Amino acid sequence: DAKTTQPPSMDCAEGRAANLPCNHSTISGNEYVYWYRQIHSQGPQYIIHGLKNNETNEMASLIITEDRKSSTLILPHATLRDTAVYYCIVSANSGGYQKVTFGTGTKLQVIP
Amino acid sequence: NAGVTQTPKFRILKIGQSMTLQCTQDMNHNYMYWYRQDPGMGLKLIYYSVGAGITDKGEVPNGYNVSRSTTEDFPLRLELAAPSQTSVYFCASSEILAGFRTDTQYFGPGTRLTVL
Repeated sequence: DAKTTQPPSMDCAEGRAANLPCNHSTISGNEYVYWYRQIHSQGPQYIIHGLKNNETNEMASLIITEDRKSSTLILPHATLRDTAVYYCIVSANSGGYQKVTFGTGTKLQVIP
Repeated sequence: NAGVTQTPKFRILKIGQSMTLQCTQDMNHNYMYWYRQDPGMGLKLIYYSVGAGITDKGEVPNGYNVSRSTTEDFPLRLELAAPSQTSVYFCASSEILAGFRTDTQYFGPGTRLTVL
């Protein structure tokens, strides 16, 4: 019962923008979209999250469609250090625990 | 802040042995989690805790036990280790904003466990 769908792999040229898509067609109104990445063998690293509006921080931008059924994580100028597996999850900020599923994500390869 | 720390980094166990994986966070987070990650797979939740003294099972709790006596520490105990428990184990914690749990999770570096 995966709540998100991501392509298994993508390539991006170094210095170009990397656009990673995620489908979450069953997202609920109170659920946020979170993005994480996992560089080889390390613990996952939080990148960004958003509810409805587009978000930007020092690492990336998050574009959420108006119907909230999909989103795109944008790394504006990909570097070799951005090679990693990127996970998209949805979760409601709530008073209690809500199961989140880190699937297999998108393996992004940045090519020199 | 050190964030989330885990020890040991690596461990080899023989079938039937027991061990405790240590996890400590210094961010005063109420929520803490234990995940396992098998090669090429995503993360699977083993146990989680919503605060000191409160723990609950995740997706794959069999063969593991946890305790949470302090806010900072959340050890994971493996009893009677089996080859199926060969995996990388990650501990994480998440913050609360305005009284609500968030899924801005902070992960430790992991413990690589091999059971032979």
